[in-house]
Amino acid sequence: GNSVTQMEGPVTLSEEAFLTINCTYTATGYPSLFWYVQYPGEGLQLLLKATKADDKGSNKGFEATYRKETTSFHLEKGSVQVSDSAVYFCAQVKIQGAQKLVFGQGTRLTINP
Amino acid sequence: DVKVTQSSRYLVKRTGEKVFLECVQDMDHENMFWYRQDPGLGLRLIYFSYDVKMKEKGDIPEGYSVSREKKERFSLILESASTNQTSMYLCASKATSQYNEQFFGPGTRLTVL
Repeated sequence: GNSVTQMEGPVTLSEEAFLTINCTYTATGYPSLFWYVQYPGEGLQLLLKATKADDKGSNKGFEATYRKETTSFHLEKGSVQVSDSAVYFCAQVKIQGAQKLVFGQGTRLTINP
Repeated sequence: DVKVTQSSRYLVKRTGEKVFLECVQDMDHENMFWYRQDPGLGLRLIYFSYDVKMKEKGDIPEGYSVSREKKERFSLILESASTNQTSMYLCASKATSQYNEQFFGPGTRLTVL
C-alpha cells in the first residue's frame, strides 16, 4: 500500500547550516508529493509540491526533487534560519482513494542562533 | 486569500460529554477532512467527505462521527468524549484533483478531563 517514511527527528542545527530531511515513499504509480510545514501553535501549510517524476518543487529557499528511481523526495535548504524551526511533514496523495493524503510521521527541526 | 477556519483553538471537556468541532472553508472545495495529530504518530485521518451529505471512514473513525449538511461546513462529533480523545484536531479541504494540495485550518487542541 501507500506509505511515507521520514527521517527520524528531532533535528537540531545552527543558523546558516545546510539542511536535508529525508523522505521516501511506496506507491502504485506516480502520486503527487508534498512537503508541509507546521510552525508552533499553527496548522499545516503547504511548503512545496511536485506532481511528476523529476519535478523540482521550491519555496522560501527550500527545494525537493521527485526521484522515481529512488522513490524519494528529500527536502533541502542551503542556509537555514531560526525562523525555519518547525515540524516538517512529507506526504503523498493516494491516486486511488479520493484525494486522501498519506503523511510521514513528521520531523521536528530546531535552528539555534 | 484561501481560508479554513475552526470554531475553537482550545477546548476543555469532561468525560462523557458530547463535543462538536466545526470547520468552515471558503474555497468551494468538494473534499473536506478531519485528522488528529498526536506526538510520535503524525497525522491520522478520522473521516473525510467528498460531497455534501457524503462521508467515508478514515483510519481511526471509532468514537467519532461527522456531518456535512452544507458544502462549506464539516463537523466532527465526539458522541461521548473520553480521555484518550485528548489531542490536536486538524480540519482540511481540497479541490478534486490529485495535483491540488489540502489546505489546513489552525487546529483545535481538545483536552478531555
